[in-house]
Amino acid sequence: QSALTQPASVSESPGQSITISCTGTSSDFATYNYVSWYQQHPGKAPKLLIYDVSNRPSGVSNRFSGSKSGSTASLTISGLQAEDEADYYCSSYRSSGTYVFGTGTKVTVL
Amino acid sequence: DVQLVESGGGLVQPGKSLRLSCAASGFTFRTSWMHWVRQAPGKGLVWVSRINTDGNYGSYADSVRGRFTISRDNAKNTLYLQMDRLRADDTAVYYCARDLTGSRDHWGQGTLVTVSS
Repeated sequence: QSALTQPASVSESPGQSITISCTGTSSDFATYNYVSWYQQHPGKAPKLLIYDVSNRPSGVSNRFSGSKSGSTASLTISGLQAEDEADYYCSSYRSSGTYVFGTGTKVTVL
Repeated sequence: DVQLVESGGGLVQPGKSLRLSCAASGFTFRTSWMHWVRQAPGKGLVWVSRINTDGNYGSYADSVRGRFTISRDNAKNTLYLQMDRLRADDTAVYYCARDLTGSRDHWGQGTLVTVSS
């Protein structure tokens, strides 16, 4: 079960926007909308940011948004803040009740 | 508030077994699908297993299928992961998480499993 592909790192200045891509096979994203995104600070448990491609759980800032096109899902963080510096992971339902995570992206706020 | 508390981790020799537990509170456990996710030291998240509400269907990652068994006790609000024939590459922090339409919306703090002789 190969992982979804994410860029290893993304850096940007405070106040700017970044987009993290998550690439899988066409079957990963074409059939189901079970794409989710997670934020993880060092030593902490992951936190759900986006579910079902573009939905935000209650309490998650609207600076985080998700989308999907073809075999690529994306997470956009607008108005980048120092507290956004963390690791980010995408995840998708794959098939037969199995799931897969992305390789992870380290976001650095310059 | 939703709370998930894992326990049962520790140091175990290769080939041995270990059972992890996840105590749930603050929500209706019996109506929630549940997941296990692991993270090796310095590495990314890896999905391990998921179980349905009744506990009669579990799905597994290829890397653990046939060695790990997920189960639950709805009367005790507890999720389990039985890990047999452990290998060095099973060393990781193991998280339990609640399912939300295929995502995981609440996570425990994790329990560390170290497989080493």
